[in-house]
Order: sequence, then structure tokens, then C-alpha cells
Amino acid sequence: AQKVTQAQTEISVVEKEDVTLDCVYETRDTTYYLFWYKQPPSGELVFLIRRNSFDEQNEISGRYSWNFQKSTSSFNFTITASQVVDSAVYFCALSRSYNTDKLIFGTGTRLQVFP
Amino acid sequence: EAEVAQSPRYKITEKSQAVAFWCDPISGHATLYWYRQILGQGPELLVQFQDESVVDDSQLPKDRFSAERLKGVDSTLKIQPAELGDSAMYLCASSFAGGVYEQYFGPGTRLTVT
Repeated sequence: AQKVTQAQTEISVVEKEDVTLDCVYETRDTTYYLFWYKQPPSGELVFLIRRNSFDEQNEISGRYSWNFQKSTSSFNFTITASQVVDSAVYFCALSRSYNTDKLIFGTGTRLQVFP
Repeated sequence: EAEVAQSPRYKITEKSQAVAFWCDPISGHATLYWYRQILGQGPELLVQFQDESVVDDSQLPKDRFSAERLKGVDSTLKIQPAELGDSAMYLCASSFAGGVYEQYFGPGTRLTVT
């Protein structure tokens, strides 16, 4: 069975702090995809990144970076120098590459960035 | 920038009534998904279409929920009769062809059943 665990329910930081959101996944597939989505208060899910299981290179995009480690089944997300606009719920998700490509989401981590 | 459109944004209905949601995916996207998100949880897939065909509806409560995508473009999700437990956000997403392509989500319809 596939499962995504985001153990951190809510994180609060002060602006300019760095923050890491944890994601642990379970799957028996050898080929799969991992995603991060942002859900601001408006409700729309915004795509941030997709990573396939064969690419363990870390990725950096501006203040965002992602650390994928197959050995620990983790795909963590770090925001550097957080800003108030980063306040949102962040979801990690998993999909398989065949049969059905539905996204299996974790329960999300609510990030609050205070000025 | 192309977006997934959904309407209505908010819907309040009484239990046992019928309710319908509409989704218009990004132009050219063959795959369309309906997810349900209960407050405090991640979205869960209800139904997936590839063009006009259903690919996965294993989690769709078929006794009361129905979905269609007649011309392979826009889609309608219906609940009849609505129950209190159906109160949730209903999200529509589309992707170019499913599989490796990322899914783009609409703003959702927040349903409250009283």
C-alpha cells in the first residue's frame, strides 16, 4: 500500500527563519513520483515540484530546496529566509507510474510565518 | 496563464437535496481528476477521466455520487442525495496526459450540507 506521512501538523516561525517540512513515504513500487503542493488560504493547490524515484539529486529553486533520500524514504522541503507569504498548508504527495496516477496526499503541514 | 475553472465556489445545501459541481480543465488537458478534501486532511481522489472515459472511480460512492465528462472537455460531479458527511472541499485538477505530468488544481467548491 502507498502512504505519505507528514508528522508535523503545524509549524510557526518568525520571518527570515529557515524551516524544514518533513515527508516520509511508503511504497513497494520501484518507479514512483513525489510532489509538493502549497495550499494558501484561498484553497487552490499550487504545484511546487515533481521528483521521480530515479533522481535523487537535491533541487533548489530560489528560497525553496528539496532533499530526496530513498534510503530513508523521505522527501523533505526547506524554505530559507521564510516570508509571511509562505504561510499556507503544504502537502507532500506520491503517485505510481502505472495503473492509476492518482496523487496520494499526506495530511499536510500548516506553516505560519509571523512578521 | 491557463487555469482550471470550477463553479460554484461555495454551495450550501440541505441533506437529501441534489447538488452539482462543474469543472473546466486547462485547454488541451486530456486527464481530469475530482478530489475530495475533508477539513484538516489531504485530498483524496474520487474519479479520474482520460478524455471521456473513466480510468479510476474506485473511491467514488456510486450509490450517491456520479461524474461525467461527455465530450472529453468539461466535467460535472453530482451528489444525490447529499448527506452531512459530504461537507468538504471538492477539487478538480487536470493534466496534459496523466502519468508523469503534474496536475493543476482549480480553486475548489466548498460544500456545506446542513
